[in-house]
Amino acid sequence: GAVVSQHPSWVICKSGTSVKIECRSLDFQATTMFWYRQFPKQSLMLMATSNEGSKATYEQGVEKDKFLINHASLTLSTLTVTSAHPEDSSFYICSARGTSVGGQFFGPGTRLTVL
Amino acid sequence: GDSVTQMEGPVTLSEEAFLTINCTYTATGYPSLFWYVQYPGEGLQLLLKATKADDKGSNKGFEATYRKETTSFHLEKGSVQVSDSAVYFCALSETDSWGKLQFGAGTQVVVTP
Repeated sequence: GAVVSQHPSWVICKSGTSVKIECRSLDFQATTMFWYRQFPKQSLMLMATSNEGSKATYEQGVEKDKFLINHASLTLSTLTVTSAHPEDSSFYICSARGTSVGGQFFGPGTRLTVL
Repeated sequence: GDSVTQMEGPVTLSEEAFLTINCTYTATGYPSLFWYVQYPGEGLQLLLKATKADDKGSNKGFEATYRKETTSFHLEKGSVQVSDSAVYFCALSETDSWGKLQFGAGTQVVVTP
């Protein structure tokens, strides 16, 4: 139980385009989802926290207009990277927590490459 | 602010060897401490945790003790297997595993037969 999936697992896009990444909790209702970003050989850095039905809370230094987060249902959160640029290339990881499960559960991550 | 520092990898060792991965932290309060493991192609999984000083977390033969005096949470396993090859992340949360996590950089462990 407590499985989180992400889609796609990898994506390549051209500079200036937008990319949407989905995070789904498959067998529990996720009241809160977190989005992390990981650079090569570096820590996972929290980008934002999203609670179902409300606006996401962004960490300091994260551009909310660039990284749009929507948590419209208890099983789905999306991260849209708008007008992507090569510096946005990274590994994006989501995690989810719910009232019926103890702890925070992570998706496998999405590798974004912007050309 | 809070931070977590863990030893750089990769750490390469033979099967049945003893494994230690050092982790130290800085925090303003009394955080909960965690070790997560990421196997190839999979998401991070909670390996063990400790919520207060002197607590010992253990799972799958791995252990870590919350040392407030040295602000450390070193991960140990007495006899590793090839299946333990993975990336290990030390992390802290000012609340518990339900809250925001501050991660270390991760340590890749490679166990050879």
